[in-house]
Amino acid sequence: SQKIEQNSEALNIQEGKTATLTCNYTNYSPAYLQWYRQDPGRGPVFLLLIRENEKEKRKERLKVTFDTTLKQSLFHITASQPADSATYLCALRMDSSYKLIFGSGTRLLVRP
Amino acid sequence: GAGVSQSPSNKVTEKGKDVELRCDPISGHTALYWYRQSLGQGLEFLIYFQGNSAPDKSGLPSDRFSAERTGGSVSTLTIQRTQQEDSAVYLCASSFITGGGTEAFFGQGTRLTVV
Repeated sequence: SQKIEQNSEALNIQEGKTATLTCNYTNYSPAYLQWYRQDPGRGPVFLLLIRENEKEKRKERLKVTFDTTLKQSLFHITASQPADSATYLCALRMDSSYKLIFGSGTRLLVRP
Repeated sequence: GAGVSQSPSNKVTEKGKDVELRCDPISGHTALYWYRQSLGQGLEFLIYFQGNSAPDKSGLPSDRFSAERTGGSVSTLTIQRTQQEDSAVYLCASSFITGGGTEAFFGQGTRLTVV
């Protein structure tokens, strides 16, 4: 069956450290993978997109990797801040459709 | 407005009643998505509209759920004979489809409570 898996346990780290979140998928062949941030009571907000032929993408303190062989994406936040505390969701988009399928998200807590 | 607008923001309804949830996408966005999010869970895909193409309804959980998009703009999600398990936040998103970029812009959601 098709699955998108993100760690359901919250990631708790110290301010200043690098946070690394994982998105694994099964029986999908995504052309694009996106990461979103969601704060309580709000809709998700787009952060980064990476294409299947890209290995890595960076934006300020954010870095995303995409390994289509391992079927995995890693999302890194360097020099983390308490304001980075939120739930982070990955989303897949296939080449044949613009439908976006989301993972269940991982909650990040950054301690001051 | 500049963003995706959903109404109402909160809806409490009695079991068995029908409800309509509204989504106003960003002007010019051709793609519109509906998702459902239960407490502490991820986004469950419901339905997707793209331009004049037939909608992808593959995520609708039962025939009590339907959605339409009029004039390629406003969309309404209708739930008939609501059940308690329908209680969730219903999120709408829109996107401007280009060759690769499908960044989705989300509304604030409608929190539906079935009592």
